[in-house]
Amino acid sequence: SQQGEEDPQALSIQEGENATMNCSYKTSINNLQWYRQNSGRGLVHLILIRSNEREKHSGRLRVTLDTSKKSSSLLITASRAADTASYFCATDAGSSYKLIFGSGTRLLVRP
Amino acid sequence: GAGVSQSPRYKVAKRGQDVALRCDPISGHVSLFWYQQALGQGPEFLTYFQNEAQLDKSGLPSDRFFAERPEGSVSTLKIQRTQQEDSAVYLCASSLRDGNNEQFFGPGTRLTVL
Repeated sequence: SQQGEEDPQALSIQEGENATMNCSYKTSINNLQWYRQNSGRGLVHLILIRSNEREKHSGRLRVTLDTSKKSSSLLITASRAADTASYFCATDAGSSYKLIFGSGTRLLVRP
Repeated sequence: GAGVSQSPRYKVAKRGQDVALRCDPISGHVSLFWYQQALGQGPEFLTYFQNEAQLDKSGLPSDRFFAERPEGSVSTLKIQRTQQEDSAVYLCASSLRDGNNEQFFGPGTRLTVL
């Protein structure tokens, strides 16, 4: 069974708009990570946020973490067609190694 | 630099056949993971190696699934007597060490069991 659930399941936006994806999880975590998966390819790591952090930035990405609500959000600003992909959150569920993935958000950025 | 590679990229098997999926992790990475990704879902953990030791195989769906990493580098995931429900993408990932580090994923092997 999967730890996290992403919301929405699918998102379609116009190029240049911002995209926000949410992730909820169930158990205590040490960190939470976001990954991107393009069609037919493996997962690419985007950003890791530790449980004692509330917000983190990387380029056009902004991630927030609210451990009291067991939720995280990923914001992509000024989206591009190349951002079209599936986005997954993954938690460690308190372990030191394995990742527990959510079901993902499929993002479509229309040119 | 070379990332994680997997072969074959695509595999079609008849039900009942045995298959072997290969993973070449990033050189020097201690930890290696196998995940199974069903269509439209996120990856699900199968098993974990630290060097040649298989420390966690709790995610393997049945005793038809077997993984090994005999020399602490290349790993093979073997599925015996494949069933249709085994159809999925099998992803391999490696990381430099434990400790909640970033995992680097290969492109996956798409297995279709007819």
